[in-house]
Amino acid sequence: NAGVTQTPKFRVLKTGQSMTLLCAQDMNHEYMYWYRQDPGMGLRLIHYSVGEGTTAKGEVPDGYNVSRLKKQNFLLGLESAAPSQTSVYFCASSSDGTTYSPLHFGNGTRLTVT
Amino acid sequence: GNSVTQMEGPVTLSEEAFLTINCTYTATGYPSLFWYVQYPGEGLQLLLKATKADDKGSNKGFEATYRKETTSFHLEKGSVQVSDSAVYFCALSEPNTGGFKTIFGAGTRLFVKA
Repeated sequence: NAGVTQTPKFRVLKTGQSMTLLCAQDMNHEYMYWYRQDPGMGLRLIHYSVGEGTTAKGEVPDGYNVSRLKKQNFLLGLESAAPSQTSVYFCASSSDGTTYSPLHFGNGTRLTVT
Repeated sequence: GNSVTQMEGPVTLSEEAFLTINCTYTATGYPSLFWYVQYPGEGLQLLLKATKADDKGSNKGFEATYRKETTSFHLEKGSVQVSDSAVYFCALSEPNTGGFKTIFGAGTRLFVKA
């Protein structure tokens, strides 16, 4: 059981370039999330989805877009990368919308923008 | 708004020492509380959870009790091992539009020396 899989694992971009991060889960979860992790700041929610075809803004959505065309996939796009977007990005999923459902995380993508 | 505060690290202990990582929270309702652990190069994974006041979550020798009167969820382990070296995140989950929202603390890095 793969759980949550993120690709790529590492990426280096120049300022202004674009890229898409892919997240795939095989647990049939309804909810999916994109977080960024920065030193000393914990995890901050970028965007999330409560089901196929839905997306919503999180705490730090500016500069990012997302799509959830299929239930198992959640894509995070950077249209014009900036050095402030250098971070580790984590995708997560959960089975339902109850507060006691834990999050299941992928192993992360380390992005450097120069 | 709601928040989670953890003790700053790093915490360095010798093998078999007693571990406490403090976590306090602010919340307007009745959140669920979690501890997640992140090993090097990996995503976060659920360590334990508690969903109501006075509940005790436990797993792999770790314990934490949901204390509503002190708004705390401190993580403890009686005898740490080198393999427990990781970053530990306290988190709360509260109801949000269309589901729930998870708020993370900044994380506490634990080093265990042999």
